[in-house]
Amino acid sequence: EADIYQTPRYLVIGTGKKITLECSQTMGHDKMYWYQQDPGMELHLIHYSYGVNSTEKGDLSSESTVSRIRTEHFPLTLESARPSHTSQYLCASSETVGGYTFGSGTRLTVV
Amino acid sequence: KQEVTQIPAALSVPEGENLVLNCSFTDSAIYNLQWFRQDPGKGLTSLLLIQSSQREQTSGRLNASLDKSSGRSTLYIAASQPGDSATYLCAPSPYNTNAGKSTFGDGTTLTVKP
Repeated sequence: EADIYQTPRYLVIGTGKKITLECSQTMGHDKMYWYQQDPGMELHLIHYSYGVNSTEKGDLSSESTVSRIRTEHFPLTLESARPSHTSQYLCASSETVGGYTFGSGTRLTVV
Repeated sequence: KQEVTQIPAALSVPEGENLVLNCSFTDSAIYNLQWFRQDPGKGLTSLLLIQSSQREQTSGRLNASLDKSSGRSTLYIAASQPGDSATYLCAPSPYNTNAGKSTFGDGTTLTVKP
């Protein structure tokens, strides 16, 4: 079964550390997305990509960066983590229009 | 810009009841609409995907309908169970595949009491 994988599932890290959240999909989808979601709150799109070497910022401003060197891989990086970055980060992919598949998410806590 | 509204924001029902969740959207030029389920602290699980040419889709106890012209979709859950307790989100996708991305509603949080 095709799937999308996020690692780590949980991460607790100190302020100022650099972190990379991993997202990989096995479906060959061109489109990939990163969402940020606080507990009980709505999804906010922070980054998206329509293919290799294509990345765009989403609706919510974020200090994170992304890269898309391979179709299946869409990592998100925070150069210097802060407590305000504490949140859940969800990765998704889609083939054409809609039809999203989501990963299980990474719950990040910055202390 | 597409705006998605889900009503009610929260719903509590006794086990066994049939229920309807509502989703309305302002831009009817959609390619498809997807319904998701989200459990607390987890990712989103796709339930149903309705293409713009379809009127409804069914999966088990779930039935989703789409009325594109009126900008509405409903998710019908038959014979609800405590395991159905979760937040349900709808997400229409626009026709413009290059610029368009799905817009997510804020969700309806469903609690099914045993």
